[in-house]
Amino acid sequence: DVKVTQSSRYLVKRTGEKVFLECVQDMDHENMFWYRQDPGLGLRLIYFSYDVKMKEKGDIPEGYSVSREKKERFSLILESASTNQTSMYLCASSPPLVVGELFFGEGSRLTVL
Amino acid sequence: AQKVTQAQTEISVVEKEDVTLDCVYETRDTTYYLFWYKQPPSGELVFLIRRNSFDEQNEISGRYSWNFQKSTSSFNFTITASQVVDSAVYFCALSSAGGTSYGKLTFGQGTILTVHP
Repeated sequence: DVKVTQSSRYLVKRTGEKVFLECVQDMDHENMFWYRQDPGLGLRLIYFSYDVKMKEKGDIPEGYSVSREKKERFSLILESASTNQTSMYLCASSPPLVVGELFFGEGSRLTVL
Repeated sequence: AQKVTQAQTEISVVEKEDVTLDCVYETRDTTYYLFWYKQPPSGELVFLIRRNSFDEQNEISGRYSWNFQKSTSSFNFTITASQVVDSAVYFCALSSAGGTSYGKLTFGQGTILTVHP
């Protein structure tokens, strides 16, 4: 069974803390994505990666960075968490040349106090 | 810029009713893809369908059907004889078929569907 696994379902952090959200996929997919989901706004793309060590900004990259050192792992980093980054974070992966068929993880709900 | 609008924030129906979820999109691309995803209470989004902009044929899969109308920029999703297990958040999404936006999905706001027994 194919799977995208996000390391933490729930996190509570304080303003200014550095936060790491980890995502691992076991499908050997080239493409990986980080979205955030907020009520009334749907999903918004933060960053995506088409290959190891490759990354591109999505629609809302400010305040975030990413790391992809291995094909199966894509990490989202909040250098200095702020309260407006309280949200649900969704990781996804997809194979090359199959447009838009994303496989999602269960999400990481981050609360920043 | 691309945009997807799901005007229905929440829909509530009783089991066995038919329900249609609306999706309207905006894009300047001539070639693009449209999608529907389902997010059940467990939280994991599940891909339901992809439609190429060149293919305006309606599609039916069991109790699900999709109506794509390029003239009105709409891609509506109908569930026939709804069931409690259909309760979820449904997202419509759009992607360019090429260029720098290839593979990047723009999602709508989502529609919360609740099916009561």
